[in-house]
Parts: sequence; structure tokens; C-alpha cells
Amino acid sequence: AQSVAQPEDQVNVAEGNPLTVKCTYSVSGNPYLFWYVQYPNRGLQFLLKYITGDNLVKGSYGFEAEFNKSQTSFHLKKPSALVSDSALYFCAVRVVDTGRRALTFGSGTRLQVQP
Amino acid sequence: SQTIHQWPATLVQPVGSPLSLECTVEGTSNPNLYWYRQAAGRGLQLLFYSVGIGQISSEVPQNLSASRPQDRQFILSSKKLLLSDSGFYLCAWSLGDRGPYEQYFGPGTRLTVT
Repeated sequence: AQSVAQPEDQVNVAEGNPLTVKCTYSVSGNPYLFWYVQYPNRGLQFLLKYITGDNLVKGSYGFEAEFNKSQTSFHLKKPSALVSDSALYFCAVRVVDTGRRALTFGSGTRLQVQP
Repeated sequence: SQTIHQWPATLVQPVGSPLSLECTVEGTSNPNLYWYRQAAGRGLQLLFYSVGIGQISSEVPQNLSASRPQDRQFILSSKKLLLSDSGFYLCAWSLGDRGPYEQYFGPGTRLTVT
């Protein structure tokens, strides 16, 4: 079975400060990992993914994420937060080389950026 | 470019009434299609996914069903809605093989069962 944990329900950060949204995963095998963002009453928007190779992945809107195999983590980061980054963020995982094509999502972390 | 549509955007239905939500994708062929439900603005629950016409996999036993009558059309249905069916329903698509492909989501349907 595969699972994703987002240990923080909410993260608060001041505008201009760096932000980190945490994600850990549990899979049997090698993972594909994804981050999505959701604004109120909207669908999820894809931010970035890790497949293989470089552990630091860069994505949309200045976000990046670092894959750490030993810690089974895939934390989302941004060097300087914007008020417009305030939203709900989801981490997701899928196991490589299985017939299951669906993603397993974490419970979400609400990011609040204060001006 | 690819586009995914869902309708209606909002729906209020009484308990015991039928349901039909529709999702269509443009700009790609033979996509994988997915239905999710999101309760209380939080976690996503995968309901169904489909890898081809007429091929539906159910993730959670419930009073909902899904059908894929055409390559780029995915329908979520119920014969009799329950109060617990209220939620935000999201359709998604991804490229149709085993590759490391991200899913792209539609705008969602807000269903309130009264």
C-alpha cells in the first residue's frame, strides 16, 4: 500500500520569507512524487513532479521540492513567499512500474502568507 | 492544448434523487480519467478511474457509479443520493499509459444534497 503524510494542517509565513510545506511518503518500490495547489472552489493545479535524477525539482510559480530517499520526504519550498501563494497544497505519490495509475494524495496543508 | 470541462459547476439535489455529473477532455486521445471527491475542503478520495472506453475501476464501494461511453467522456452517476454524497467532485485526466504523468484537474462540481 502507498500513503502520503502532510504533518501540518496549516503553515503561516510572512511575505518575503522562505516557506516549506512538508510531505513524507510510504511506498513499496520507487515513487513518482507530485505537488499540487488548490485555490478556493477550484480544481487542483499541478506544480511539479519528481521522477528520477536530480533530487531538487523546480516547478511553476517559483516553487521547488527536494526529494530525500533516506528520509522518504518530498518537501515543497519557495525562497520568498507571496501573499498570492496562500492556498491549499497537496502532495501525491504513485509507485513506479505498477498497474495502478491513480495518485494517492495527502490530506493537504493550508498555507497562509501574511503581508 | 488540452482542456477538461466539468458540469454543472454547482448542484443542489434532494435526498433520494438521481445524479449525473459529466466530464469531457479536449485535445488528447485515450486519456486515463479519474473521479475524486473532496469533503470539507481537504483530502481527495479517489472514487473511480478508467483506462479506456467501458473500463471502470472502483476504489470505494458506495452508491455511486461511473461510465465512460466515449474516449474523452466520463460520467458519474447515482440512482438515489444520500446526504453523505455532498462534496466537491473533481474529474481529472492523465496521459494514457504507465508513464510518470501528472493528472490535470477540472474546475469541479459542488454538490449539496438536502
